[in-house]
Amino acid sequence: KAGVTQTPRYLIKTRGQQVTLSCSPISGHRSVSWYQQTPGQGLQFLFEYFSETQRNKGNFPGRFSGRQFSNSRSEMNVSTLELGDSALYLCASSLVTGGPSNEQFFGPGTRLTVL
Amino acid sequence: AQKVTQAQTEISVVEKEDVTLDCVYETRDTTYYLFWYKQPPSGELVFLIRRNSFDEQNEISGRYSWNFQKSTSSFNFTITASQVVDSAVYFCALSVSGGYQKVTFGTGTKLQVIP
Repeated sequence: KAGVTQTPRYLIKTRGQQVTLSCSPISGHRSVSWYQQTPGQGLQFLFEYFSETQRNKGNFPGRFSGRQFSNSRSEMNVSTLELGDSALYLCASSLVTGGPSNEQFFGPGTRLTVL
Repeated sequence: AQKVTQAQTEISVVEKEDVTLDCVYETRDTTYYLFWYKQPPSGELVFLIRRNSFDEQNEISGRYSWNFQKSTSSFNFTITASQVVDSAVYFCALSVSGGYQKVTFGTGTKLQVIP
């Protein structure tokens, strides 16, 4: 079974631009979560989608948004990029129910650098 | 609100030594789930173990063992006879009931095993 895939793996943008990151979950997984990982803040939860609906959102500004498609693939978008948005963005998928007991399977991440 | 504390930022051990990674959690929920994940230098988090709040049995898997103690709100992870391949960042995480997936991660412990 293929794992979670994320594209692109690396991205360089300048301040003020916007960016879209993509995540394809493991086949059969309907819950997709996004995390931002930085050296200073660690792993921070961005949002979680299940069956195309955002079920939960972390404490990030409205510049961070996401969506999920009917095939469970998910995208996250960051508008008006700031230097502080430089981070590793991780996507994780979990089983059908997407409940709190499910372990998450992580993708390799997208390394975003904002100049 | 949930909180996970991993007080050890970095640990260095010589190969074949035993090492314990500490994890202390806070939650008011009576039903919750604890996880450990490993993040090797490649960046992809790998699930290691899940434990629910009603199961305080310790678990051993090969060289890995986990000690869950509700009385001290701790879920510690021990690697016996460490190997160079164990070098990674280890994250403890907490998820509470609520019908959806929202995981709170600790800040991670970087383990370096020196040959």
